[in-house]
Amino acid sequence: SQQGEEDPQALSIQEGENATMNCSYKTSINNLQWYRQNSGRGLVHLILIRSNEREKHSGRLRVTLDTSKKSSSLLITASRAADTASYFCATGRKQGGSEKLVFGKGTKLTVNP
Amino acid sequence: NAGVTQTPKFQVLKTGQSMTLQCAQDMNHNSMYWYRQDPGMGLRLIYYSASEGTTDKGEVPNGYNVSRLNKREFSLRLESAAPSQTSVYFCASSGDRFNEKLFFGSGTQLSVL
Repeated sequence: SQQGEEDPQALSIQEGENATMNCSYKTSINNLQWYRQNSGRGLVHLILIRSNEREKHSGRLRVTLDTSKKSSSLLITASRAADTASYFCATGRKQGGSEKLVFGKGTKLTVNP
Repeated sequence: NAGVTQTPKFQVLKTGQSMTLQCAQDMNHNSMYWYRQDPGMGLRLIYYSASEGTTDKGEVPNGYNVSRLNKREFSLRLESAAPSQTSVYFCASSGDRFNEKLFFGSGTQLSVL
């Protein structure tokens, strides 16, 4: 079963605009990670935010985590055509003594030049 | 620095044939993973190895076997391929199971006819 669910499924914006993608999950987590996947490539890690953190920044990326609402958002500021990719959230949690990292289905972002 | 290397990049099999997907990492990571990615399904964990000498089932292990040959290498074997195993397969590694970011290979596109 999917743990993280991204919203929206697809997003199309103009270069220079900000892009916001959301991720919701159902159970308690240890951490939440965001990954980017360019077409035909493997996933690349963007940011990891732990359950006791509320916000993290990395360059033009800003991630927030609200554990009370079981949701996270990824903001890309001043988007570029090169940001066109699919973005996935992944939630790390403990279940039955073992740890898991479960990926959502992704948001496909298109940045138009 | 090669990171995570997967071979082959593409493979076509007939139903019932067997094959092994190879994966190697040069980052001295303890944990390694095999995921499959299907359209609209996100990534699903097949098997993982938390450390050398151990392997565990993930979300969709049926029809697959794995071998953690040494710390560097983690192979995925399809004993009798089925059309339902047509997918893109990704190998990944991390330092500490699911608590750290994953590094992904570039994927193997497998078609089973």
